[in-house]
Amino acid sequence: NAGVMQNPRHLVRRRGQEARLRCSPMKGHSHVYWYRQLPEEGLKFMVYLQKENIIDESGMPKERFSAEFPKEGPSILRIQQVVRGDSAAYFCASSPQGVGDTQYFGPGTRLTVL
Amino acid sequence: GQNIDQPTEMTATEGAIVQINCTYQTSGFNGLFWYQQHAGEAPTFLSYNVLDGLEEKGRFSSFLSRSKGYSYLLLKELQMKDSASYLCAVSANDYKLSFGAGTTVTVRA
Repeated sequence: NAGVMQNPRHLVRRRGQEARLRCSPMKGHSHVYWYRQLPEEGLKFMVYLQKENIIDESGMPKERFSAEFPKEGPSILRIQQVVRGDSAAYFCASSPQGVGDTQYFGPGTRLTVL
Repeated sequence: GQNIDQPTEMTATEGAIVQINCTYQTSGFNGLFWYQQHAGEAPTFLSYNVLDGLEEKGRFSSFLSRSKGYSYLLLKELQMKDSASYLCAVSANDYKLSFGAGTTVTVRA
């Protein structure tokens, strides 16, 4: 039973480029969450999605960041025109249900912006 | 907003017991989670408390007092592989988890 999968594990981008981070939830899970972890800081919620719907994007910066979870395929977190401050570990989690349910995390994508 | 506090670092000896405290102030409560995170890896689920009391799972136990906004994670018979960051997270009125900054536990021989 495969866990949450994320790719790439490491991503290097130059300032101004685009970053695309992918997340495949655990089998049977229809709820996906994205978190960001800056060095020496806790995980911060970014966005919560169900298939084809963004439920809550209150933790996501208003500009340059977007997320989707299409009917088919993985969830995508997209960062346009990356800046050095976007360098962080981005974790995806999934759960079978929503409120109060245990979230299982993927291995993360470590984004480095040069 | 949510406020989750836990100590930054703790050190203990192999075979010993360590207790990691977590206090929280949140608008609503749907449960408290503990995760273990080794450097450079994913947080791994350890425990979930939604009712007051102690939940035991092998060498790890977690306690919750909702009236005090307090939880602890107890690690017994410490092993070197337990050296990691331990994250306290609260689910408030919704689905998102609010995390503390994590407690780095170092186990020494």
